[in-house]
Amino acid sequence: QSALTQPASVSGSPGQSITISCTGTSSDVGGYNYVSWYQQHPGTAPKIMIYDVSSRPSGVSDRFSGSKSGNTASLTISGLQAEDEADYYCSSYTKSNTGVFGTGTKVTVL
Amino acid sequence: EVQLVESGGGLVQPGGSLRLSCVVSGFTFSSYAMTWVRQAPGKGLEWVSGISNSGSTFYADSVKGRFTISRDNSKNTLYLQMNSLRVEDTAVYYCARGRKGAVVAVTLDYWGQGTLVTVSS
Repeated sequence: QSALTQPASVSGSPGQSITISCTGTSSDVGGYNYVSWYQQHPGTAPKIMIYDVSSRPSGVSDRFSGSKSGNTASLTISGLQAEDEADYYCSSYTKSNTGVFGTGTKVTVL
Repeated sequence: EVQLVESGGGLVQPGGSLRLSCVVSGFTFSSYAMTWVRQAPGKGLEWVSGISNSGSTFYADSVKGRFTISRDNSKNTLYLQMNSLRVEDTAVYYCARGRKGAVVAVTLDYWGQGTLVTVSS
């Protein structure tokens, strides 16, 4: 159950688009369409932003989108805003009937 | 309004035990899979344990044999019994709800605010 691999940090200017990758294996990301993305601001609980690879919960901005190719999932934030500055984690179902999170990515809005 | 409220955290010595509780409201608890996720200070999220709505249990390798997840549907409460605690178990522990219909809660749509467990001598 090794953590999924994410870049430690990604940055962008307001209005720009950024993409965060999440790399696993065929036993997790590549094997199932149960990839989720969470946003976490300092001192608060995580909030789900994307589920089932590309679905958005109600109330989440359509500036957030998800995709997957092979063993790598991606989260794209378009029209970057100051409030998007946070930590982002991917997660996936695994063949062991457990969940696994990514290493986390700090998004900085320049 | 969906609410999840954790309690039971605190300071415990290595080798000790602690039981966390998560009281939920605002939804039919018995219909949902639930999970515990932890976050060590300054670190990332770690999936710890899950329980289906019917009581099937699942554990991360790091806690298997030491932690036990359970639920009391009559009390709308989720538990995590933690035994043989180690320094590396120090973390904020969150309870979270799985999406409806899921057996294993890995898509987590509601989270509590967390309870801090510190394992130290």
